[in-house]
Amino acid sequence: DSGVTQTPKHLITATGQRVTLRCSPRSGDLSVYWYQQSLDQGLQFLIQYYNGEERAKGNILERFSAQQFPDLHSELNLSSLELGDSALYFCASSVGAGGGNEQFFGPGTRLTVL
Amino acid sequence: GQNIDQPTEMTATEGAIVQINCTYQTSGFNGLFWYQQHAGEAPTFLSYNVLDGLEEKGRFSSFLSRSKGYSYLLLKELQMKDSASYLCAVRDQGTGFQKLVFGTGTRLLVSP
Repeated sequence: DSGVTQTPKHLITATGQRVTLRCSPRSGDLSVYWYQQSLDQGLQFLIQYYNGEERAKGNILERFSAQQFPDLHSELNLSSLELGDSALYFCASSVGAGGGNEQFFGPGTRLTVL
Repeated sequence: GQNIDQPTEMTATEGAIVQINCTYQTSGFNGLFWYQQHAGEAPTFLSYNVLDGLEEKGRFSSFLSRSKGYSYLLLKELQMKDSASYLCAVRDQGTGFQKLVFGTGTRLLVSP
């Protein structure tokens, strides 16, 4: 158990819908990262927040957005969902702001878009 | 931009030694990680190299050559539970922010 929690574990929804994925980092970690993992693409970095502020941005679509709250939990919002958005979404956390710190991954949310 | 290459799949037998290679091209290299990921589970940290040379950690070792843009993960005394994907990830500072860029992973199958 990494200490990072994610909810829900599974999510099934329809195209065009909007969903919110939630992540709580390890105690003491200030950085939260979001990744998307699909079968053909590997682990893709989406976005990082550090202490409430956006720190780095990867291949995140405009239909996706995220935020980190004062209690350091984070939410990833996915809207106008498409079939291709079906994937495992991982949240990771680390102590520092540098994206290269050892990251501890949550169990993931498996999103299925029908 | 960044480019990380790993073999897609490897097979080995229990008790053997296997070496998983990773080559990378990145504009701002600042360290390399290896993660293990079992199917459907979260990646877990195995090793970190920032300087050239070999880092040993029990049955697992990782090597880095920055001049060659090359790393390998060495797994000794293979066990069935080592069947997993192994992800090479490079810390990149090219865009001003440090971030981890992952390879697509090498799926290792250990057979009896």
